[in-house]
Amino acid sequence: GAVVSQHPSRVICKSGTSVKIECRSLDFQATTMFWYRQFPKQSLMLMATSNEGSKATYEQGVEKDKFLINHASLTLSTLTVTSAHPEDSSFYICSARAPGQGFGYTFGSGTRLTVV
Amino acid sequence: GENVEQHPSTLSVQEGDSAVIKCTYSDSASNYFPWYKQELGKGPQLIIDIRSNVGEKKDQRIAVTLNKTAKHFSLHITETQPEDSAVYFCAASLYNFNKFYFGSGTKLNVKP
Repeated sequence: GAVVSQHPSRVICKSGTSVKIECRSLDFQATTMFWYRQFPKQSLMLMATSNEGSKATYEQGVEKDKFLINHASLTLSTLTVTSAHPEDSSFYICSARAPGQGFGYTFGSGTRLTVV
Repeated sequence: GENVEQHPSTLSVQEGDSAVIKCTYSDSASNYFPWYKQELGKGPQLIIDIRSNVGEKKDQRIAVTLNKTAKHFSLHITETQPEDSAVYFCAASLYNFNKFYFGSGTKLNVKP
């Protein structure tokens, strides 16, 4: 089946630094990928829609300058958390819709970001 | 926008028993309802989904029912096993759009 690979799985960074998270579709091309954020014991909240070759679409309340999204190829989208602060600590998950998989989305394994 | 409510937040069952998780949605235009299973530290995995043109769908021990009039849908797991223990999320969407609205999740614990 379709696989979405996310890297790294865990990252700890210092406050004020930037962190890049990669999301790759391994066996299919994805013109659109989605980035979610999940706080402990809470649901998934859509942050932004990543569009290959064009600007990302951000959900209301999500800071574009803080969460930079780049979708430079049909198999790779990156999320960069800039000037990270402890409140940015969260579980970040990407997803994509694979052809032939119906309407369901395939999620990556997530990245646990801890800002200290 | 769509609002999806999910109950219960936690559910403990004995191995072999059935488990039922219920969700309601607010937007009658929603027509696609997937269920995801999320294990600790991992991303969600699609386990079953249903479109609004059917009332029930089954896949081995898992079934989903949809009542469009009442705007609610449920996940049924029969003969539960310890490996079914996880957090389950329901979601609602318009299938020709990309935006999913997730429920708050149900932590299912299957006791051996």
